[in-house]
Amino acid sequence: SAVISQKPSRDICQRGTSLTIQCQVDSQVTMMFWYRQQPGQSLTLIATANQGSEATYESGFVIDKFPISRPNLTFSTLTVSNMSPEDSSIYLCSALGTGYNEQFFGPGTRLTVL
Amino acid sequence: SQQGEEDPQALSIQEGENATMNCSYKTSINNLQWYRQNSGRGLVHLILIRSNEREKHSGRLRVTLDTSKKSSSLLITASRAADTASYFCATGVNSGYSTLTFGKGTMLLVSP
Repeated sequence: SAVISQKPSRDICQRGTSLTIQCQVDSQVTMMFWYRQQPGQSLTLIATANQGSEATYESGFVIDKFPISRPNLTFSTLTVSNMSPEDSSIYLCSALGTGYNEQFFGPGTRLTVL
Repeated sequence: SQQGEEDPQALSIQEGENATMNCSYKTSINNLQWYRQNSGRGLVHLILIRSNEREKHSGRLRVTLDTSKKSSSLLITASRAADTASYFCATGVNSGYSTLTFGKGTMLLVSP
């Protein structure tokens, strides 16, 4: 299994600003993902972070709002841009394991936008 | 759209009792997975069951899958206070790799 860390673990930000969340995996993985979990809700996939190419975004999520980088096979960043209170959520990074489609998750970044 | 729907939304039991959570889904799947989340933190992968499997065990966990009814259940036997968490089912529609669609989750509270 992969061990995934995220930074920061939490942050409180002002509206209109941007926050970049980092995700580090302890081994090379083929696929990495970013999810959002709004308060009291389930997880929603934001995008698949592709190494060496643009991320693949799910319906309702756009690159201008959630730019993603993946410079190598162990690291990815998600930026939440021009934040509003509606962006207050937990943001989780995950990576696809070598097993049958199971994903391993980071501890999440709890974001509060004032 | 949400694929999995868990029920109950919340479950409160005493230590030592069994806890059963159910998940229903709408479309054909290749696999179904159960995850645990403690206090709004990261998710821990519990168990994966493939569409051609009917039952799977892992320690105190037992998962069943009924593809004809498009439903799955997670049974935790002899529950402990440390089992207190939210439990989510997630479905994958393709073999090998596919994005996962998560259900809304069941919040389990195990009291000492």
